[in-house]
Amino acid sequence: GDSVTQMEGPVTLSEEAFLTINCTYTATGYPSLFWYVQYPGEGLQLLLKATKADDKGSNKGFEATYRKETTSFHLEKGSVQVSDSAVYFCALSDRDDYKLSFGAGTTVTVRA
Amino acid sequence: DTGVSQDPRHKITKRGQNVTFRCDPISEHNRLYWYRQTLGQGPEFLTYFQNEAQLEKSRLLSDRFSAERPKGSFSTLEIQRTEQGDSAMYLCASIRPSRQANTGELFFGEGSRLTVL
Repeated sequence: GDSVTQMEGPVTLSEEAFLTINCTYTATGYPSLFWYVQYPGEGLQLLLKATKADDKGSNKGFEATYRKETTSFHLEKGSVQVSDSAVYFCALSDRDDYKLSFGAGTTVTVRA
Repeated sequence: DTGVSQDPRHKITKRGQNVTFRCDPISEHNRLYWYRQTLGQGPEFLTYFQNEAQLEKSRLLSDRFSAERPKGSFSTLEIQRTEQGDSAMYLCASIRPSRQANTGELFFGEGSRLTVL
């Protein structure tokens, strides 16, 4: 079945550092790919998405590119802030049922 | 607030008791999903509804679990004879699939945390 593997955490960074969280997936079809974020005390919310190969999703300075050849969707941000401290989940969705399969999550802590 | 709402936010119960969680999706969202999230893990799919019809149930949903969406609006998730292993965050999400407007984004509630003593 469909599955997602993402980089284990926790990740601790200083402000303005570069962040990368690796994500690879296994799917039989052509899924949509997502990054969701969970800030402390809040619910899951969509950070960015890509629906086909070579699409780049971006939001709040974060970017991820749908790479079909490497089945990857790595999340990057060039200069993190303390407010980026959160748990980040990579996920994929079959386009017919929209059911999401999540990775285990990566906890990111940014220190001032 | 017109987001997905879940109730209660936190439930503490003794092993063997029954618990019920409620989810109110975003208005006009005809698909509703239940997930379970344990500490340090990503959410795991449990079941989903389209309107009042339950279309899929995960193998994680043992016979002690039952979910309903009787009028195609709110949904309930009941756990009978709770076990300590049921302790988790139960998440609800909704979507209104549309070929024109769909982004594939599920809208999540803040979850109901269950602690079984």
